[in-house]
Amino acid sequence: EPEVTQTPSHQVTQMGQEVILRCVPISNHLYFYWYRQILGQKVEFLVSFYNNEISEKSEIFDDQFSVERPDGSNFTLKIRSTKLEDSAMYFCASNRDRQETQYFGPGTRLLVL
Amino acid sequence: EDQVTQSPEALRLQEGESSSLNCSYTVSGLRGLFWYRQDPGKGPEFLFTLYSAGEEKEKERLKATLTKKESFLHITAPKPEDSATYLCAVRDFFSGNTPLVFGKGTRLSVIA
Repeated sequence: EPEVTQTPSHQVTQMGQEVILRCVPISNHLYFYWYRQILGQKVEFLVSFYNNEISEKSEIFDDQFSVERPDGSNFTLKIRSTKLEDSAMYFCASNRDRQETQYFGPGTRLLVL
Repeated sequence: EDQVTQSPEALRLQEGESSSLNCSYTVSGLRGLFWYRQDPGKGPEFLFTLYSAGEEKEKERLKATLTKKESFLHITAPKPEDSATYLCAVRDFFSGNTPLVFGKGTRLSVIA
């Protein structure tokens, strides 16, 4: 059964450093998403992406964040200058149509020191 | 004000003891209610999608139902492997067409 995959599973970085989180969505899916979950809190929407552009973003997704689909399979989230409060699990999700179920990856645990 | 409220926050059951988890929502333009299971340190695993009041979906020991204000996830004769956090999420027309809004989840423990 096709799955969303994410790399790395864990990332530790120093405050102020740039990080890139990678995702491979399910192959025939067209809509891609990033969510985050701070430890003990709700899963929160960051951004959605379709046809090589951002379709929606939340207030969390400020100028420090960017997304890209650099090739036909990968979907990345870049945080330019990490802050302590960026420490969280980051989940990628995808679906074929935006009205359908979103399928989530296993997540990347980001720790900013 | 939270759009999605899940109760109880935590539930401890004996193996075989059936129960229900509640998800109440206040969105006015529901475009889907989703149940996910999340194991510690893992991503949400899809269980059910419900679109309209009266709809029901079943999978093994789980059954999800939907009314105009809430959804229930019924667990019949649970086993220890059903222990997880169960997340409810909604998609609301007025919050945009794609973002899911999640509740805080119900942490279920099933004791053998």
